Amino acid sequence: EIVLTQSPGTMSLSPGERATLSCRASQSVSSSYLAWYQQKPGQAPRLLIYGASSRATGIPDRFSGSGSGTDFTLTISRLEPEDFAVYYCQQYGSSPSLTFGGGTKVEIK
Amino acid sequence: EVQLVESGGGLVQPGGSLRLSCAASRFTFRVYWMHWVRQAPGKGLVWVSRINSDGSSISYADSVKGRFTISRDNAKNTLYLQMNSLRAEDTAVYYCAREFTGFDYWGQGAPVTVSS
Repeated sequence: EIVLTQSPGTMSLSPGERATLSCRASQSVSSSYLAWYQQKPGQAPRLLIYGASSRATGIPDRFSGSGSGTDFTLTISRLEPEDFAVYYCQQYGSSPSLTFGGGTKVEIK
Repeated sequence: EVQLVESGGGLVQPGGSLRLSCAASRFTFRVYWMHWVRQAPGKGLVWVSRINSDGSSISYADSVKGRFTISRDNAKNTLYLQMNSLRAEDTAVYYCAREFTGFDYWGQGAPVTVSS
């Protein structure tokens, strides 16, 4: 099973600042199958990025994804108040099991 | 807009059974792979199970293998998760999700509590 390790666990930032979230895999992940999700309290997750770098429908361009192999990054260029949430990476191409990272909480400083 | 609506959650005693349903609408259900994902209180997302479009290929997380069964009825546009031999550690919100490019649509979640 591929283990995804996200860092940091929590980051405290102010609106307008840049957020850089890391996702490291225990073995190489196909970029085609690396996704990022945002989850707010009491809500279902929301797909932000798929294929490591493609934004999902309706996702603002301040969200961007990059990386390959075992190291992937989600960047939020300028934090808006609605961006404070928990973010998860996921690999979904490794059969038979899929995995999520442990999450990074982006909180207001 | 695509809709996924879970039902069937609730309180069950350890060792008991529960069946979750996920009713899909406003998309062609029969062509998509579907998944169940769970989230224990205050914890992260954990993938549970996957079924391909016609039900011929199924996978499970090791933690539920042999106890949970995923299935689908494409005529009824419904995904199921039969959960047997439930344990306290199965307590979670269970989400169904559609796989397209990533998991692009999710249901609102069905809470399951395993407790005596």
